[in-house]
Amino acid sequence: QKEVEQDPGPLSVPEGAIVSLNCTYSNSAFQYFMWYRQYSRKGPELLMYTYSSGNKEDGRFTAQVDKSSKYISLFIRDSQPSDSATYLCAMSDDSGGGADGLTFGKGTHLIIQP
Amino acid sequence: EADIYQTPRYLVIGTGKKITLECSQTMGHDKMYWYQQDPGMELHLIHYSYGVNSTEKGDLSSESTVSRIRTEHFPLTLESARPSHTSQYLCASSEFRTSSYNEQFFGPGTRLTVL
Repeated sequence: QKEVEQDPGPLSVPEGAIVSLNCTYSNSAFQYFMWYRQYSRKGPELLMYTYSSGNKEDGRFTAQVDKSSKYISLFIRDSQPSDSATYLCAMSDDSGGGADGLTFGKGTHLIIQP
Repeated sequence: EADIYQTPRYLVIGTGKKITLECSQTMGHDKMYWYQQDPGMELHLIHYSYGVNSTEKGDLSSESTVSRIRTEHFPLTLESARPSHTSQYLCASSEFRTSSYNEQFFGPGTRLTVL
């Protein structure tokens, strides 16, 4: 079993829809949870990060972490064609001061239809 | 605008050639990383560095080597490229604070094809 499971999609939705992206994980030591967005031929860029459980909102984006279920979500409201990209969840069990890098999901390819 | 640069962006090379992928950052970050990303697969950490003269292997075994002679520069070298090395290589950097989360900033990647 992989440490992080993420449906690769593609997920295709009409413009204006609410998008829900999800990851599950198995390592209970993870405490930092990130969502990265990656456009084609580009490197990933950080969208949001959350420490431990709870919700975090930034504009049209909301990140949720449920550590008891080992489940994280990213919601995109009023989706736009410019949101079309691959969304990667990533996790870490330390602040970056330790030896490990991030553990990534495979990424979900999201397509917003105009 | 990202302040981490990778060259070349694309490289097609024959088997047995020595190659060096360049990565530079202007943010003064101590920690730097190399990830490997295959299509439809997870990014995997192959090397990282805490600072000058520090290099460590990541969780994915790789035949590549790295060096860190200057803070801003973290090149990756393959002594003898093989088709199995075909992949996208992503460089990243972050600050090194133990008290809080350190965001990793990624470069645009180098897409390597070995024929």
